[in-house]
Amino acid sequence: QKEVEQNSGPLSVPEGAIASLNCTYSDRGSQSFFWYRQYSGKSPELIMSIYSNGDKEDGRFTAQLNKASQYVSLLIRDSQPSDSATYLCAGSGSARQLTFGSGTQLTVLP
Amino acid sequence: ETGVTQSPTHLIKTRGQQVTLRCSSQSGHNTVSWYQQALGQGPQFIFQYYREEENGRGNFPPRFSGLQFPNYSSELNVNALELDDSALYLCASSWDRNYEQYFGPGTRLTVT
Repeated sequence: QKEVEQNSGPLSVPEGAIASLNCTYSDRGSQSFFWYRQYSGKSPELIMSIYSNGDKEDGRFTAQLNKASQYVSLLIRDSQPSDSATYLCAGSGSARQLTFGSGTQLTVLP
Repeated sequence: ETGVTQSPTHLIKTRGQQVTLRCSSQSGHNTVSWYQQALGQGPQFIFQYYREEENGRGNFPPRFSGLQFPNYSSELNVNALELDDSALYLCASSWDRNYEQYFGPGTRLTVT
């Protein structure tokens, strides 16, 4: 079973803090990784993609990938209450389908 | 640029019935993937269509079937509905098979 595991939530951080979301995967064939944000009652929204080892920054978001450790993370700097949502980690390999984790619920407290 | 659209938004069906869900891909995208998301879970891959051909299938029974049209829009058909089919059904489109997938708003299916 090819799995993506996310650190269990819920996660609460104060406004302005750094939120750290983590994900591990079991399929070494996975090559591409994605972070989606899902507000309650809405569909997932793509916020970051990462394909190679290292860091990728986009605004307040930084994705990190370590293929040797089979580990993906998302850092949200200067967290805002509007960042409160469920964050889904997904991996994609040769099968091209996205395999999702169960999500981590983030709450940013004003 | 038009995003991914899905219809209907909500649907209530009775066990044993059949349902068809529709998806229009984002402009310029030729690949459509369908996912099922149960409450509190991540989306589960059902199947993917690339240029009107099925390009991969997840662990779903044959009563889940699909179709992609020449304009790259797609349908998901579910026969003999079961109570456990109640979920949010998501369609995602991408520029090609290996590229980022963008989700539509979803169809909430309730089976009673």
